[in-house]
Amino acid sequence: EAGVTQFPSHSVIEKGQTVTLRCDPISGHDNLYWYRRVMGKEIKFLLHFVKESKQDESGMPNNRFLAERTGGTYSTLKVQPAELEDSGVYFCASSVTGTYNEQFFGPGTRLTVL
Amino acid sequence: QKEVEQNSGPLSVPEGAIASLNCTYSDRVSQSFFWYRQYSGKSPELIMSIYSNGDKEDGRFTAQLNKASQYVSLLIRDSQPSDSATYLCAVTTPTGGFKTIFGAGTRLFVKA
Repeated sequence: EAGVTQFPSHSVIEKGQTVTLRCDPISGHDNLYWYRRVMGKEIKFLLHFVKESKQDESGMPNNRFLAERTGGTYSTLKVQPAELEDSGVYFCASSVTGTYNEQFFGPGTRLTVL
Repeated sequence: QKEVEQNSGPLSVPEGAIASLNCTYSDRVSQSFFWYRQYSGKSPELIMSIYSNGDKEDGRFTAQLNKASQYVSLLIRDSQPSDSATYLCAVTTPTGGFKTIFGAGTRLFVKA
């Protein structure tokens, strides 16, 4: 069974540019989560999809971040325009619907904003 | 107070010893508790989950949960150098829609 995949693995952009990150969850996992880890800090929740619906987006830093999950399969996270403080590793995780919410993580996308 | 607190370490143990990792959480209604292992430059890997008070064993790993004390721990028996990593405690709480909160992690070094 394929795990969670993310693309790209690394992205280096300049301040003010736009970047789109993609996550493909494990097949059959309705729940998809985005997290971010800034260097030296803990992993922070960004948002949670259940199928194509946003269940919780309370962790999104500001309106420069836009997440979509059209069709309830893969998800994209767009940052526009990117700022220096957006640098970090963006993780995606997925889980089946149920009580326990065991989440499986993708390899992450390392974003560097110069 | 952080929602999930862990000692950042590093925790250093000799090969073959028991490593004990601890975590406390602030939300009393938290329901699910997880330990993830993260090697440097890699993504978190789920190694243990626990949902009810008591102990849960899986191979060399034992998770312990005490909801009254809001405390969860991970014991690694017969520690190996390959266990050297950062261990993340994660807690899922129904507050705000089943959000999962991560601790900052404890770095473990197992000396050969």
